[in-house]
Amino acid sequence: SQTIHQWPATLVQPVGSPLSLECTVEGTSNPNLYWYRQAAGRGLQLLFYSVGIGQISSEVPQNLSASRPQDRQFILSSKKLLLSDSGFYLCAWSGTSGYYEQFFGPGTRLTVL
Amino acid sequence: KNEVEQSPQNLTAQEGEFITINCSYSVGISALHWLQQHPGGGIVSLFMLSSGKKKHGRLIATINIQEKHSSLHITASHPRDSAVYICAVRGSQGNLIFGKGTKLSVKP
Repeated sequence: SQTIHQWPATLVQPVGSPLSLECTVEGTSNPNLYWYRQAAGRGLQLLFYSVGIGQISSEVPQNLSASRPQDRQFILSSKKLLLSDSGFYLCAWSGTSGYYEQFFGPGTRLTVL
Repeated sequence: KNEVEQSPQNLTAQEGEFITINCSYSVGISALHWLQQHPGGGIVSLFMLSSGKKKHGRLIATINIQEKHSSLHITASHPRDSAVYICAVRGSQGNLIFGKGTKLSVKP
């Protein structure tokens, strides 16, 4: 069966510090991968998606970036965090055919102080 | 106007009540998802449907493609059903476009 991991589960970082969140998927190959953010009191927002290694599409201009160095690894990064980057970050995967049902990781709660 | 609208935004029910959450969308879709977000933030996919009706236990999801509308029903609601329920539709790139969610609180 497929599983999706995210770490860390929680993170408190000062403004201006770098960020690296990691997501890995097990039990499937060549998945589509997604990074979402949920700011406090707001709905989920798609940040990045990837259909393959090294292929990243950005939905929202921001100071975040994403990379996919391996087939089942998706990394969300920032060089300098802003207060507005605080939120709940979710990674998800889907297959590449059919109806693209998405499966979510446990999430990372990021607080920028 | 948001592409995916949910109603109500908040819902409080007594244990045992029948609950309906509605979702309307304005874009063409190939699939619609209902998700459940627990108080800790974790998200579980409840349903993915493109037509008709699906049922899992006490949960029922329906979709009317012509009217661009879907409903999530919970029969015999229970306090453990308390969560945020999110409707999402599949966009052209396989990404999901989310509604803002309905916060459900079921009182014992």
